[in-house]
Amino acid sequence: DAGVTQSPTHLIKTRGQQVTLRCSPKSGHDTVSWYQQALGQGPQFIFQYYEEEERQRGNFPDRFSGHQFPNYSSELNVNALWLGDSALYLCASSVAGNHEQYFGPGTRLTVT
Amino acid sequence: AQSVTQLDSQVPVFEEAPVELRCNYSSSVSVYLFWYVQYPNQGLQLLLKYLSGSTLVKGINGFEAEFNKSQTSFHLRKPSVHISDTAEYFCAVSERNRDDKIIFGKGTRLHILP
Repeated sequence: DAGVTQSPTHLIKTRGQQVTLRCSPKSGHDTVSWYQQALGQGPQFIFQYYEEEERQRGNFPDRFSGHQFPNYSSELNVNALWLGDSALYLCASSVAGNHEQYFGPGTRLTVT
Repeated sequence: AQSVTQLDSQVPVFEEAPVELRCNYSSSVSVYLFWYVQYPNQGLQLLLKYLSGSTLVKGINGFEAEFNKSQTSFHLRKPSVHISDTAEYFCAVSERNRDDKIIFGKGTRLHILP
């Protein structure tokens, strides 16, 4: 049983560009959450998707958007990248009604 | 709103010695409590969780944690650490009875000395 997978592993972008990160949830999971982990910090909640809709959102600007597909996989899009967007982006999946989230290995985004 | 405070950013400890990583939380509602571990260049792995019942929770790799409601603490302990325990440890909370976001502390780096 594959766990949560994320792609790509690493990414380098230039300020002002746009980026799309992808996540496939653990088999049987229907809810996907995204977190941003800056260097030396704990993960910060970005948003959560369930039934293809954004259900919760953390304190992140509208430049951060997402999508969930019918197969429960998800994308995180970031527009107009800033240097401060450089971080490890973590995807977590869970089953609706169950509190426990399983994390993927993350995508390391570097903005230059 | 919830918040988590990890009192030590780094904890050095000799191999085979005991260790305690401290965590305090703040919340106006009942919460679930978690400890996650992050090995270098990897994602997060759940070590243990407190949902209800016994306040002493046992997890993987010989770790345990004790929930203390009156002190709003959830300290992580291991009686004898190994070099392979070198990692970043995160205490976290989420609101009970909701499919809610997880709020993380800033992490404690456990550094095992030979």
